[in-house]
Amino acid sequence: GAGVSQSPSNKVTEKGKDVELRCDPISGHTALYWYRQSLGQGLEFLIYFQGNSAPDKSGLPSDRFSAERTGGSVSTLTIQRTQQEDSAVYLCASSRPYNEQFFGPGTRLTVL
Amino acid sequence: KQEVTQIPAALSVPEGENLVLNCSFTDSAIYNLQWFRQDPGKGLTSLLLIQSSQREQTSGRLNASLDKSSGRSTLYIAASQPGDSATYLCAARGVSNNNDMRFGAGTRLTVKP
Repeated sequence: GAGVSQSPSNKVTEKGKDVELRCDPISGHTALYWYRQSLGQGLEFLIYFQGNSAPDKSGLPSDRFSAERTGGSVSTLTIQRTQQEDSAVYLCASSRPYNEQFFGPGTRLTVL
Repeated sequence: KQEVTQIPAALSVPEGENLVLNCSFTDSAIYNLQWFRQDPGKGLTSLLLIQSSQREQTSGRLNASLDKSSGRSTLYIAASQPGDSATYLCAARGVSNNNDMRFGAGTRLTVKP
Protein backbone atom coordinates (compact mmCIF):
# COMPACT_ATOMS: atom_id res chain seq x y z
CA GLY A 1 0.00 0.00 0.00
CA ALA A 2 1.02 3.63 -0.35
CA GLY A 3 3.03 5.24 2.39
CA VAL A 4 2.87 8.79 3.66
CA SER A 5 3.39 11.27 0.84
CA GLN A 6 4.37 14.91 1.03
CA SER A 7 4.46 17.68 -1.52
CA PRO A 8 6.34 19.51 -2.72
CA SER A 9 9.60 17.70 -2.08
CA ASN A 10 11.48 20.98 -2.30
CA LYS A 11 10.30 24.55 -1.93
CA VAL A 12 12.38 27.67 -2.38
CA THR A 13 10.67 30.91 -1.47
CA GLU A 14 11.51 34.51 -0.76
CA LYS A 15 11.39 35.96 2.70
CA GLY A 16 7.93 37.30 3.48
CA LYS A 17 6.02 34.95 1.18
CA ASP A 18 3.48 32.40 2.39
CA VAL A 19 3.99 28.68 1.76
CA GLU A 20 1.74 25.63 1.97
CA LEU A 21 3.06 22.14 2.57
CA ARG A 22 0.88 19.11 2.03
CA CYS A 23 0.77 15.70 3.68
CA ASP A 24 -1.21 12.64 2.60
CA PRO A 25 -1.24 10.11 5.44
CA ILE A 26 -1.62 6.37 5.15
CA SER A 27 -5.25 5.44 4.64
CA GLY A 28 -6.91 4.50 7.93
CA HIS A 29 -4.38 6.29 10.12
CA THR A 30 -6.28 8.63 12.41
CA ALA A 31 -3.20 10.26 13.92
CA LEU A 32 -1.14 12.76 11.93
CA TYR A 33 1.95 14.62 13.09
CA TRP A 34 4.06 17.47 11.74
CA TYR A 35 7.70 17.84 12.74
CA ARG A 36 10.50 20.18 11.73
CA GLN A 37 14.12 19.18 11.39
CA SER A 38 16.73 21.88 11.01
CA LEU A 39 20.16 21.09 9.61
CA GLY A 40 21.98 18.71 11.94
CA GLN A 41 19.24 18.97 14.57
CA GLY A 42 16.76 16.54 16.05
CA LEU A 43 13.06 16.44 15.36
CA GLU A 44 10.98 19.35 16.66
CA PHE A 45 7.30 18.57 17.19
CA LEU A 46 4.95 21.09 15.61
CA ILE A 47 1.34 19.88 15.65
CA TYR A 48 -0.69 16.69 16.11
CA PHE A 49 -4.12 15.69 14.83
CA GLN A 50 -6.09 12.75 16.20
CA GLY A 51 -9.40 11.96 14.54
CA ASN A 52 -11.97 14.66 15.15
CA SER A 53 -10.35 15.90 18.35
CA ALA A 54 -8.98 19.40 18.66
CA PRO A 55 -5.37 19.40 17.40
CA ASP A 56 -2.44 19.71 19.76
CA LYS A 57 -0.77 22.92 18.54
CA SER A 58 1.64 23.24 21.43
CA GLY A 59 4.71 22.87 19.23
CA LEU A 60 3.97 25.61 16.72
CA PRO A 61 6.82 28.16 17.05
CA SER A 62 4.79 31.26 16.24
CA ASP A 63 1.38 32.41 15.06
CA ARG A 64 2.76 32.48 11.52
CA PHE A 65 2.40 28.71 11.55
CA SER A 66 -0.96 26.98 11.18
CA ALA A 67 -2.21 23.62 10.01
CA GLU A 68 -5.46 22.00 9.14
CA ARG A 69 -6.63 18.53 8.37
CA THR A 70 -9.60 18.22 6.08
CA GLY A 71 -11.93 15.27 6.28
CA GLY A 72 -9.63 13.50 8.68
CA SER A 73 -7.16 12.78 5.92
CA VAL A 74 -4.97 15.26 4.04
CA SER A 75 -3.22 17.94 6.08
CA THR A 76 -1.79 21.29 5.06
CA LEU A 77 0.85 23.17 7.03
CA THR A 78 0.88 26.88 6.24
CA ILE A 79 3.69 29.26 7.07
CA GLN A 80 2.87 32.92 6.60
CA ARG A 81 5.42 35.67 6.02
CA THR A 82 8.28 33.19 5.92
CA GLN A 83 11.57 34.03 7.61
CA GLN A 84 15.03 32.63 6.92
CA GLU A 85 14.95 30.74 10.22
CA ASP A 86 11.97 28.77 8.87
CA SER A 87 14.34 26.98 6.49
CA ALA A 88 14.26 23.31 7.44
CA VAL A 89 12.91 19.94 6.42
CA TYR A 90 9.26 19.57 7.37
CA LEU A 91 8.29 15.97 8.08
CA CYS A 92 4.83 14.49 8.35
CA ALA A 93 4.00 11.17 9.99
CA SER A 94 0.86 9.14 10.52
CA SER A 95 -0.11 6.23 12.72
CA ARG A 96 -2.92 4.31 14.27
CA PRO A 97 -3.32 5.43 17.91
CA TYR A 98 -0.37 4.33 20.04
CA ASN A 99 1.05 2.43 17.15
CA GLU A 100 4.03 2.58 14.81
CA GLN A 101 4.67 5.99 13.23
CA PHE A 102 5.33 6.13 9.52
CA PHE A 103 7.05 9.15 8.04
CA GLY A 104 6.82 10.83 4.69
CA PRO A 105 9.92 11.86 2.70
CA GLY A 106 9.68 15.45 3.91
CA THR A 107 9.58 18.86 2.28
CA ARG A 108 12.82 20.80 2.22
CA LEU A 109 11.98 24.47 2.63
CA THR A 110 14.54 27.13 1.79
CA VAL A 111 13.73 30.75 2.53
CA LEU A 112 16.01 33.17 0.72
CA LYS B 1 9.39 15.48 31.27
CA GLN B 2 10.76 12.58 29.22
CA GLU B 3 14.27 13.04 27.87
CA VAL B 4 15.77 10.65 25.36
CA THR B 5 19.52 10.41 24.89
CA GLN B 6 21.50 8.52 22.28
CA ILE B 7 25.13 7.65 22.69
CA PRO B 8 27.40 7.82 20.80
CA ALA B 9 26.47 10.74 18.56
CA ALA B 10 28.57 9.24 15.78
CA LEU B 11 30.12 5.85 15.16
CA SER B 12 32.40 4.55 12.43
CA VAL B 13 33.06 0.83 12.01
CA PRO B 14 34.57 -1.45 9.37
CA GLU B 15 32.25 -3.58 7.31
CA GLY B 16 31.29 -6.88 8.89
CA GLU B 17 31.47 -5.73 12.47
CA ASN B 18 28.61 -6.25 14.91
CA LEU B 19 27.61 -3.07 16.70
CA VAL B 20 25.29 -1.71 19.37
CA LEU B 21 23.55 1.66 19.43
CA ASN B 22 22.29 2.93 22.75
CA CYS B 23 19.16 4.83 23.69
CA SER B 24 18.28 5.91 27.22
CA PHE B 25 15.13 7.56 28.53
CA THR B 26 14.47 9.22 31.86
CA ASP B 27 10.84 8.22 32.45
CA SER B 28 10.27 4.47 32.48
CA ALA B 29 6.50 4.91 32.06
CA ILE B 30 6.56 4.39 28.33
CA TYR B 31 3.95 2.83 26.08
CA ASN B 32 6.40 1.73 23.42
CA LEU B 33 9.74 2.59 21.87
CA GLN B 34 10.46 2.85 18.18
CA TRP B 35 13.74 2.78 16.25
CA PHE B 36 14.14 4.61 12.94
CA ARG B 37 16.84 5.14 10.37
CA GLN B 38 17.23 8.33 8.41
CA ASP B 39 19.29 8.62 5.27
CA PRO B 40 20.70 12.04 4.36
CA GLY B 41 18.00 14.31 2.96
CA LYS B 42 15.28 11.71 3.52
CA GLY B 43 12.46 11.05 5.93
CA LEU B 44 12.55 8.51 8.74
CA THR B 45 12.11 4.81 8.05
CA SER B 46 10.64 2.72 10.84
CA LEU B 47 12.85 -0.22 11.80
CA LEU B 48 11.39 -1.77 14.92
CA LEU B 49 8.67 -1.04 17.45
CA ILE B 50 8.90 -2.55 20.92
CA GLN B 51 5.83 -2.48 23.14
CA SER B 52 6.41 -1.82 26.84
CA SER B 53 5.49 -5.42 27.63
CA GLN B 54 8.15 -6.79 25.27
CA ARG B 55 11.84 -7.33 25.87
CA GLU B 56 13.04 -7.40 22.28
CA GLN B 57 12.11 -7.34 18.63
CA THR B 58 14.04 -8.73 15.69
CA SER B 59 14.01 -7.95 12.00
CA GLY B 60 16.68 -9.52 9.84
CA ARG B 61 20.10 -8.39 11.07
CA LEU B 62 18.53 -5.96 13.53
CA ASN B 63 17.63 -6.71 17.12
CA ALA B 64 16.22 -4.13 19.50
CA SER B 65 15.97 -4.71 23.22
CA LEU B 66 14.08 -2.81 25.88
CA ASP B 67 14.76 -2.60 29.60
CA LYS B 68 12.10 -0.30 30.99
CA SER B 69 13.26 -0.43 34.58
CA SER B 70 16.71 0.88 33.68
CA GLY B 71 15.41 3.23 31.01
CA ARG B 72 17.44 1.74 28.20
CA SER B 73 17.04 0.33 24.74
CA THR B 74 19.71 -0.98 22.43
CA LEU B 75 19.75 -1.59 18.70
CA TYR B 76 22.06 -4.40 17.70
CA ILE B 77 23.18 -4.58 14.08
CA ALA B 78 24.83 -7.81 13.03
CA ALA B 79 27.40 -8.10 10.26
CA SER B 80 27.23 -4.42 9.36
CA GLN B 81 27.27 -3.37 5.71
CA PRO B 82 28.06 -0.04 4.01
CA GLY B 83 24.34 0.23 3.22
CA ASP B 84 23.65 0.44 6.94
CA SER B 85 25.30 3.87 7.00
CA ALA B 86 22.63 6.31 8.17
CA THR B 87 21.46 8.14 11.26
CA TYR B 88 19.56 5.97 13.72
CA LEU B 89 16.97 7.55 16.00
CA CYS B 90 14.98 6.15 18.86
CA ALA B 91 11.71 7.56 20.12
CA ALA B 92 9.87 6.79 23.35
CA ARG B 93 6.12 7.14 23.51
CA GLY B 94 4.62 8.07 26.88
CA VAL B 95 1.45 6.61 28.31
CA SER B 96 -0.35 9.90 28.90
CA ASN B 97 -1.46 10.53 25.36
CA ASN B 98 -0.80 9.36 21.84
CA ASN B 99 1.29 12.42 21.05
CA ASP B 100 3.73 12.11 23.87
CA MET B 101 6.59 10.88 21.69
CA ARG B 102 10.14 12.02 22.43
CA PHE B 103 12.96 11.57 19.95
CA GLY B 104 16.65 11.21 20.61
CA ALA B 105 19.12 13.27 18.60
CA GLY B 106 20.32 10.16 16.78
CA THR B 107 23.54 8.24 16.22
CA ARG B 108 25.22 8.79 12.87
CA LEU B 109 26.63 5.45 11.73
CA THR B 110 29.26 5.04 9.04
CA VAL B 111 30.18 1.54 7.89
CA LYS B 112 33.40 1.56 5.90
CA PRO B 113 33.88 -0.98 3.09
